[in-house]
Amino acid sequence: DQQVKQNSPSLSVQEGRISILNCDYTNSMFDYFLWYKKYPAEGPTFLISISSIKDKNEDGRFTVFLNKSAKHLSLHIVPSQPGDSAVYFCAASAANAGGTSYGKLTFGQGTILTVHP
Amino acid sequence: DTAVSQTPKYLVTQMGNDKSIKCEQNLGHDTMYWYKQDSKKFLKIMFSYNNKELIINETVPNRFSPKSPDKAHLNLHINSLELGDSAVYFCASSPKRGGFTELFFGEGSRLTVL
Repeated sequence: DQQVKQNSPSLSVQEGRISILNCDYTNSMFDYFLWYKKYPAEGPTFLISISSIKDKNEDGRFTVFLNKSAKHLSLHIVPSQPGDSAVYFCAASAANAGGTSYGKLTFGQGTILTVHP
Repeated sequence: DTAVSQTPKYLVTQMGNDKSIKCEQNLGHDTMYWYKQDSKKFLKIMFSYNNKELIINETVPNRFSPKSPDKAHLNLHINSLELGDSAVYFCASSPKRGGFTELFFGEGSRLTVL
């Protein structure tokens, strides 16, 4: 039972255009969402996050949108660059009654983004 | 000056053997983790330690035994390896015990059991 799903295994985009990566979740207790980027033979690196009290967070070329009613979030990359080619993982966490998640992240299976020059 | 480092990066071994993967972080974080990336590419938490104390044990078989000699190290020992243990194991650390937590991952250790 996968609580975080990235239904697009891959996405191909032209350099300079927008990349939109999507993520759906089923657990309504999730209250914090993160995007990680992973290059081959490297560990995932943190990209951007959003709290459930917000619906948008922006950091340079990266913007994450959260639609709680639809249990959906998306990552927008504008403009896309060849160096953005990587696997992008969506992750979510739920704080317990004590207000802590203990760092337990539930990941999606990733989307391979390829940005063509 | 790697922040989270794991050794070995690649490990090939026979079924039934015992092996260890070591992890060290120099970020001064209190919390460390082991995540497993299976053949379907999902990353799933196995263990979480906060300042040498086990916080999360995500129903992992007891053939897997984490050991944290100090808060900068979290090693993973696996007994009686099985084919299904083949995966990439990622160590991670975070600056806070919980709440809104960003994890810093190591490069991963690819374990292949033959």
